[in-house]
Amino acid sequence: DQQVKQNSPSLSVQEGRISILNCDYTNSMFDYFLWYKKYPAEGPTFLISISSIKDKNEDGRFTVFLNKSAKHLSLHIVPSQPGDSAVYFCAAASPSGYSTLTFGKGTMLLVSP
Amino acid sequence: GAGVSQSPRYKVAKRGQDVALRCDPISGHVSLFWYQQALGQGPEFLTYFQNEAQLDKSGLPSDRFFAERPEGSVSTLKIQRTQQEDSAVYLCASSLFGMIGLAGGYSEQFFGPGTRLTVL
Repeated sequence: DQQVKQNSPSLSVQEGRISILNCDYTNSMFDYFLWYKKYPAEGPTFLISISSIKDKNEDGRFTVFLNKSAKHLSLHIVPSQPGDSAVYFCAAASPSGYSTLTFGKGTMLLVSP
Repeated sequence: GAGVSQSPRYKVAKRGQDVALRCDPISGHVSLFWYQQALGQGPEFLTYFQNEAQLDKSGLPSDRFFAERPEGSVSTLKIQRTQQEDSAVYLCASSLFGMIGLAGGYSEQFFGPGTRLTVL
């Protein structure tokens, strides 16, 4: 039973346009959400996060939106660049004390020139 | 080193062999996590250490899996009598802090490049 779901395995976007990656979760105990970016043969690297007390967090070209009532979050990348091509994982942490992460399956983003 | 390192990067084992995977966390990081990432899946939690204490091993799939961090720094994940379903990338992550406390919050996890285990 997946607690974090990324229903789009892949997404293709043209350079300069907006990329929107979506994530749904089922566990209402999750209180912190993160997006990780992963290139082949590398470990995931942290991209951006949001606490459950907020509904938006912005960092440069990256913005994460959280809709708690819908248990939904999204990552917006604008403008998209070819170097953004990677697998993006949505992850959630619960207040267990040491922040074990629950990951989605990932969405592969391809940004074409 | 500057980041989390793992060795070996690739390991091929025959079914039934024992393997040992090593993780060198960022120096001074209290917390260390092991995750398993099967093909086409996201990473799944295996076990957590705070310094040398293994506080959570709820994600270990069977008693063939064993992890240790005897001196609170380097950690080893051992898999005995490997099976084909053990084939996956094993990721190690470390974070600076341990227990977050009742106030919540999050201590960022830094991931290593992983060890890709293939069991034939």
